[in-house]
Formats: sequence, C-alpha cells, structure tokens
Amino acid sequence: AQSVTQLGSHVSVSEGALVLLRCNYSSSVPPYLFWYVQYPNQGLQLLLKYTSAATLVKGINDFEAEFKKSETSFHLTKPSAHMSDAAEYFCAVNTGFQKLVFGTGTRLLVSP
Amino acid sequence: DADVTQTPRNRITKTGKRIMLECSQTKGHDRMYWYRQDPGLGLRLIYYSFDVKDINKGEISDGYSVSRQAQAKFSLSLESAIPNQTALYFCATSVEGPGYNEQFFGPGTRLTVL
Repeated sequence: AQSVTQLGSHVSVSEGALVLLRCNYSSSVPPYLFWYVQYPNQGLQLLLKYTSAATLVKGINDFEAEFKKSETSFHLTKPSAHMSDAAEYFCAVNTGFQKLVFGTGTRLLVSP
Repeated sequence: DADVTQTPRNRITKTGKRIMLECSQTKGHDRMYWYRQDPGLGLRLIYYSFDVKDINKGEISDGYSVSRQAQAKFSLSLESAIPNQTALYFCATSVEGPGYNEQFFGPGTRLTVL
C-alpha cells in the first residue's frame, strides 16, 4: 500500500534561512508525488507535483522538491524563508487507484 | 470566484443531529472527494465519487453517507452526529483519466459537534 511519512510535525526557521521539509514515501507502483500548502483558515493549494518527468520539480513561491528513488524521498526546500511561508505543508502520494494518501503534515513556523 | 465551494463554512451542532455538508464545483471535473482533517492526522478520505453513478467508501466512512446529485454537486451527511466527528471537512475534485491525480480543494467546513 502507498503511504507517506513526514518527519517533524513542526519546523521552525528564521526569516531568510533555508527551509527543508521532509517526506518519505512507500509505493508499490511508480509514484506520483505532491506537496500541498494550507495557509491559516484556508483550503489546500498545490505547491508542486512530481509526475515522472524531471526529478527536480519547481513549484510556486520558489519552492522545489527533488525525487530520489534510491532514498524514497521527496523533500521540499526553499532557499530563503519568508514570513508569508508560515503554513502547514502536506506531502501526498497517488495510490494508483486515482486516490491520494496524505502525510500527517508539517507546520512551518517562520520567525523574524 | 471559487472553483470549489463548500457550505456552510462553519457549523455547530448537537450530538444526535443530522447534518449535511454541501460541495459544488464549476471546474467540470468528474471526480469528487470528501476528506476530514484532524490535528496530527492529516487528511483522511471519507468517500469519493468518480461519476454520478459511482460512489465509493474511503478509509473512514463509518457514520457518514454521501449523495452525488449531479456532476457538480457532492454532499456529505452525518446521520447522527457525535463529538468525535468534530473536524475540518474538505471537498476536492480532480479530472478523469489515467496518470497522476492532482486534486483541487474547497475552503473547508469547520464542524463542531457538542
């Protein structure tokens, strides 16, 4: 069965620092992977997606993620955090049956 | 103009009451989903529908039912609400077809069962 594990329920960074949010997946089929962001009191928005094209995927707001099959990872990074990046981030994997399985989420806190 | 809308946005109800949450979409997608979000648990799938005549249970369907009234409308019902159904509920849609399954989410309904 497909699953994702997000390490760290909370990550704190200073404004301008590197953001690294970790996601490891388990999948019996070639995975399609997603990162979604949820800003306070809002629904989920797609940040980026991996669909077996390039392994380095660029998304909105300077976020990017790299698919590493050998490590079964799809970590999300951003070179320089901004206060507006404070939100909850969810990694998700396609199950192969047109459903998504979500991780438990990582809340990013950005301090001035 | 929102592509996926949910009503109500907030609802407080009492144990034992019947509640209906509604979802409408203007994206023209065939596939619709209902999730609940709980702190520390992420999103869990309640029900999903691939077209008007195709409705399927997700991982946590007990205590819930759904109705797909039209391609654009998918309602979630709690027949007899209980406090542990207090959560944030999201509707989502996606296109039909093979391959990846990008989903588009509504703004959510915050439900509190007293």
